Amino acid sequence: EVQLFESGGGLVQPGGSLRLPCAASGFTFGSYAMSWVRQVPGKGLEWVSSISSDGVNTYYGDSVKGRFTVSRDNPKNTLYLQMNSLRVEDTAIYYCVRRICSTSRCYYFDSWGQGTLVTVSS
Amino acid sequence: EIVLTQSPGTLSLSPGERATLSCRASQSISNMYLAWHQQKPGQALRLLIYDTSNRATGIPDRFSGSGSGTDFTLTISRLEPEDFAVYYCQQYVTFPLTFGGGTKVEMK
Repeated sequence: EVQLFESGGGLVQPGGSLRLPCAASGFTFGSYAMSWVRQVPGKGLEWVSSISSDGVNTYYGDSVKGRFTVSRDNPKNTLYLQMNSLRVEDTAIYYCVRRICSTSRCYYFDSWGQGTLVTVSS
Repeated sequence: EIVLTQSPGTLSLSPGERATLSCRASQSISNMYLAWHQQKPGQALRLLIYDTSNRATGIPDRFSGSGSGTDFTLTISRLEPEDFAVYYCQQYVTFPLTFGGGTKVEMK
């Protein structure tokens, strides 16, 4: 069974930093591209970032580009999201998501974690 | 950026009824690269449909997807109590990956 467990959320002041780990199990982590998606409580979903299975290629949404960094440690089966220069509008639940890919391109999200809440407030 | 607009915002139905959810894209979605996800309180989101019409593993056949170009539909043929939830469409044609605003299916 695919399991994705996010942690590291909490209260942080504007301008601060936070790192979110996502522990993966139940599948060969190093064979899958991964992503982060966030959701303001009670609102819709926003794609944040994606990373290729080998960690070489990374992609970001415009709202986090230059402030957030996605990375992974395949031997540790862990995905990370380093969030710097946090803003009030970054307050959201952050989900770790597995993405299905072929050798040529990536497709849909097929498994989601339960999420971790990040609150940016003074 | 491909903007996805879902309608209606809320659908009030009774168990056993048919639910029809719409997702309209601001530009054509090539290769039918559209998915539907279900969100229930306290649970992880769940993939229902990918590539417009393919059911994900373990998804009952009362869920079906259809559409092409800019207009897509998720149909639940007969609502079960566990189907009352929020549903999101999502495109994976191009970055940024985008979601619709969601449709809440609530019990009448």
